[in-house]
Amino acid sequence: GAGVSQSPRYKVAKRGQDVALRCDPISGHVSLFWYQQALGQGPEFLTYFQNEAQLDKSGLPSDRFFAERPEGSVSTLKIQRTQQEDSAVYLCASSQDRVNTEAFFGQGTRLTVV
Amino acid sequence: AQSVTQLGSHVSVSEGALVLLRCNYSSSVPPYLFWYVQYPNQGLQLLLKYTTGATLVKGINGFEAEFKKSETSFHLTKPSAHMSDAAEYFCAVSDSGGSNYKLTFGKGTLLTVNP
Repeated sequence: GAGVSQSPRYKVAKRGQDVALRCDPISGHVSLFWYQQALGQGPEFLTYFQNEAQLDKSGLPSDRFFAERPEGSVSTLKIQRTQQEDSAVYLCASSQDRVNTEAFFGQGTRLTVV
Repeated sequence: AQSVTQLGSHVSVSEGALVLLRCNYSSSVPPYLFWYVQYPNQGLQLLLKYTTGATLVKGINGFEAEFKKSETSFHLTKPSAHMSDAAEYFCAVSDSGGSNYKLTFGKGTLLTVNP
């Protein structure tokens, strides 16, 4: 595709609900990243995939967060039993190769937990 | 551990005036340095990056930044602000070693351009 596409753009979840956020990276991009951006803050790293392999998940805040990229293209970030502190914009980015010299970001999914 | 400090969460300039957005970093290894811009309801867009070589880096839309190792700084400048430059700007760093895929961002600086 022309750019990184994320869906949904907006998601309102009741506390305790499970959510799934989708990312379609630029076609052919090897690397895929998820970041979390809280209100008034810069993005914070969550996890990194190289093709289908999740090479770094050190930024996931708890075991309620799970990400996958089973076929090395589309990725899903799943949050179980959402809590209010999970409210943030979740950004997906992809880059052509392993070295992150230019990552292209999607518009993000704004998650609000009520 | 790496960190990025952006001085000034909000900078206001007049149209045609110099834009200066400040960024200082800390890194235990030689860094890669980036500036991203975020327009409302849009994703982050790369303005420019420094990896190796020339320390003065030119980017899109007339922006440039200079890597100063002695000052651990990577300030962003533009000689003459345009109304369309109004946006939020993020400085970011990654290391040049094994974790070069991971960006650490500053908190951002909101640039307002007054007519």
